[in-house]
Amino acid sequence: DTGVSQDPRHKITKRGQNVTFRCDPISEHNRLYWYRQTLGQGPEFLTYFQNEAQLEKSRLLSDRFSAERPKGSFSTLEIQRTEQGDSAMYLCASSLGGTKDSNQPQHFGDGTRLSIL
Amino acid sequence: SQQGEEDPQALSIQEGENATMNCSYKTSINNLQWYRQNSGRGLVHLILIRSNEREKHSGRLRVTLDTSKKSSSLLITASRAADTASYFCATDTNTGNQFYFGTGTSLTVIP
Repeated sequence: DTGVSQDPRHKITKRGQNVTFRCDPISEHNRLYWYRQTLGQGPEFLTYFQNEAQLEKSRLLSDRFSAERPKGSFSTLEIQRTEQGDSAMYLCASSLGGTKDSNQPQHFGDGTRLSIL
Repeated sequence: SQQGEEDPQALSIQEGENATMNCSYKTSINNLQWYRQNSGRGLVHLILIRSNEREKHSGRLRVTLDTSKKSSSLLITASRAADTASYFCATDTNTGNQFYFGTGTSLTVIP
């Protein structure tokens, strides 16, 4: 299966700890997105990469959140000093296309479910 | 706040019936996409309709777009139990780099 993969699938941690998630997009996809989804809601946009460049960041992405995509391949999303409100499903998606090109479907991974104790 | 809003929030139908769900959005778009999500899984792309298109078909799916009303509808014909899922519309921003998803319609197809 050469779809988008995310690791880990589940993460349980205590409040105040740091967590890091990884996303491996479809290999030829140059666009990569991170979303957060809480129960009963749709995904909320967090950030977008075009190759290795982080071009868009949502206001939802506080200073405790940081995302990277070194070499334009896999991406990591780190949350520092986790809070209970960070409990959610974190979804990664990838697609083809250049800048300002949204006419391509996004392919989603199955997400990382984060639970803060 | 999210730009897309789906209606109804929940829909329950018998197998074989048609299911219609609607999406409204607030600002101008380049395109609108519909996705499906099974419980505990990621989203799966269903269909994309560009802002200059009015209707699009894909198998049992029919999507319409009315940019004057800022609304779209997704019709699933001859529904099957396997269609049970949540359905989301997604709209892009004028940069084409951000996407807004609605709160979704939860569809239950009863065998």
